[in-house]
Amino acid sequence: DGGITQSPKYLFRKEGQNVTLSCEQNLNHDAMYWYRQDPGQGLRLIYYSQIVNDFQKGDIAEGYSVSREKKESFPLTVTSAQKNPTAFYLCASSNPPGLTGELFFGEGSRLTVL
Amino acid sequence: KQEVTQIPAALSVPEGENLVLNCSFTDSAIYNLQWFRQDPGKGLTSLLLIQSSQREQTSGRLNASLDKSSGRSTLYIAASQPGDSATYLCAVIGYGNKLVFGAGTILRVKS
Repeated sequence: DGGITQSPKYLFRKEGQNVTLSCEQNLNHDAMYWYRQDPGQGLRLIYYSQIVNDFQKGDIAEGYSVSREKKESFPLTVTSAQKNPTAFYLCASSNPPGLTGELFFGEGSRLTVL
Repeated sequence: KQEVTQIPAALSVPEGENLVLNCSFTDSAIYNLQWFRQDPGKGLTSLLLIQSSQREQTSGRLNASLDKSSGRSTLYIAASQPGDSATYLCAVIGYGNKLVFGAGTILRVKS
């Protein structure tokens, strides 16, 4: 089945540690995205990538880093510089709007800083 | 900067009622608009995608309309069921390929 797989589903981190969230898609989509969701707030864009080896900062990129070495993979690292990392992280992918543009999401990763 | 607003923030209806969720956006230069459903603690499930050249899309009991000139979209749910209880989000994608989300409408359908 085609889809987006995020792992781990739950992650606990001590302050000062970096953690990496995995996102893999087998939909052959060019574009991939990372969003952060906090209670009572909408989704906020962290980073996005429209093509392999290229990515752009979203609205809240500070304290995060990404890479896009393969089309199917877009890992997100939450660094110790992120002041308030406890949140629900969602990965998504799509083809460009000129094709279909429909966005598909993974099941999310919940990060808690202890 | 594109802003997306969803009204109401929360809605509680009895089972069987038809209902409308509203989404408005400030910049009409969009490629498409997408409606999603999110269950608690889960990812987002795509419900309907409306391309900028379309006026509406239908899937089962769901109908979404788009009026680009006025910056509005509505999601119509017919004959609501308790299983429809979830948060509904709309999102627009504009030039630059950035998707902007509304804060969502929390729907509760009472049996």
